[in-house]
Amino acid sequence: LAKTTQPISMDSYEGQEVNITCSHNNIATNDYITWYQQFPSQGPRFIIQGYKTKVTNEVASLFIPADRKSSTLSLPRVSLSDTAVYYCLVGDYNTDKLIFGTGTRLQVFP
Amino acid sequence: GAVVSQHPSRVICKSGTSVKIECRSLDFQATTMFWYRQFPKQSLMLMATSNEGSKATYEQGVEKDKFLINHASLTLSTLTVTSAHPEDSSFYICSATKDGDNEQFFGPGTRLTVL
Repeated sequence: LAKTTQPISMDSYEGQEVNITCSHNNIATNDYITWYQQFPSQGPRFIIQGYKTKVTNEVASLFIPADRKSSTLSLPRVSLSDTAVYYCLVGDYNTDKLIFGTGTRLQVFP
Repeated sequence: GAVVSQHPSRVICKSGTSVKIECRSLDFQATTMFWYRQFPKQSLMLMATSNEGSKATYEQGVEKDKFLINHASLTLSTLTVTSAHPEDSSFYICSATKDGDNEQFFGPGTRLTVL
């Protein structure tokens, strides 16, 4: 399973766009990139998943360059309720195991 | 759809007692369920993977005799922490996958405090 590296923490203000980058230099051909959000004392919540290029849903965008050695989660116009820990995970879609890295603790200020 | 519940949400017990935590998939059949442990300010650590009707697969370093996992049906998995000690105090989270879909749906977690 490819190891991921993310910033430990990030600060932002309400209304700003936040980009969290994750490095995964050893990503394998079959690996997908998945991001989860976790609030304190709650289970993680799926945000977005992608394999290459760009994926967008109602809450975020995921940018993946051609070499797939990194990915960037983009949260448009964050609000206070986006304060959470964001985990980047890389794994083979055909194997179920998820290995969580350290995550990025995002703090949004008013 | 794809809701996973855990019970209890919080439990406090005395050292030496056993505690059972239930994980249920409420609106789908879960072919596979996972159990994670999370200490304060740390990431989730996968403890074990369980498939309905078969023995759980434990991650390295996780004592299978201490953390008993039973996945008796397609909607229920239980984790029993046997002879709990204060160092077992943690946040325990389960997740489940549907047949043919590898997305994991997480439960809300159970906070265990061992006195």
